[in-house]
Amino acid sequence: DGGITQSPKYLFRKEGQNVTLSCEQNLNHDAMYWYRQDPGQGLRLIYYSQIVNDFQKGDIAEGYSVSREKKESFPLTVTSAQKNPTAFYLCASSKTGLNTGELFFGEGSRLTVL
Amino acid sequence: AQSVTQPDIHITVSEGASLELRCNYSYGATPYLFWYVQSPGQGLQLLLKYFSGDTLVQGIKGFEAEFKRSQSSFNLRKPSVHWSDAAEYFCAVDPRGAQKLVFGQGTRLTINP
Repeated sequence: DGGITQSPKYLFRKEGQNVTLSCEQNLNHDAMYWYRQDPGQGLRLIYYSQIVNDFQKGDIAEGYSVSREKKESFPLTVTSAQKNPTAFYLCASSKTGLNTGELFFGEGSRLTVL
Repeated sequence: AQSVTQPDIHITVSEGASLELRCNYSYGATPYLFWYVQSPGQGLQLLLKYFSGDTLVQGIKGFEAEFKRSQSSFNLRKPSVHWSDAAEYFCAVDPRGAQKLVFGQGTRLTINP
């Protein structure tokens, strides 16, 4: 079945460590997104990519980095520069243009900093 | 400032009762409008969307939403809720041409048996 796969589902990190969250899609979508979710704050956009080898910062990109070397993959690295990284991270994809209306979401990765 | 507001953080309704979740937006031009639902620990699923045309939009799972330009609102409704509707609901907008969605803070729905 087509969809978005995020891994790992749960991740624990010590302070000062970088971690990378995986996001893979087999929907043949051009656009991919990373959102961060915190209780009571909705979803906030970290980075997005409309096409391979290109990506843009979202509203809260500081302390994060991404790459888009393949159409299917959009990994997110949470660096040690991110001051408050404990959160639920959601990856999504869509057909190019977004006004097709639908983001397809993965099941999320929960990162906890110890 | 441009924003999406869901005034109700948490709503509790009885099973079989009607439901209305509020969403207001503040953008110069009418954006594309969406409602998503999230079950605990899961990703989000699209319930319905509005681009143009008929202001009453039908979605999945028996939900509908009405766009009111004069009130800058896009409220979600369901005539009779089921226990399985307990979830968090997010209103989202795509400011036309922005190529990205902006989400409201979410409304958590609890269903009393």
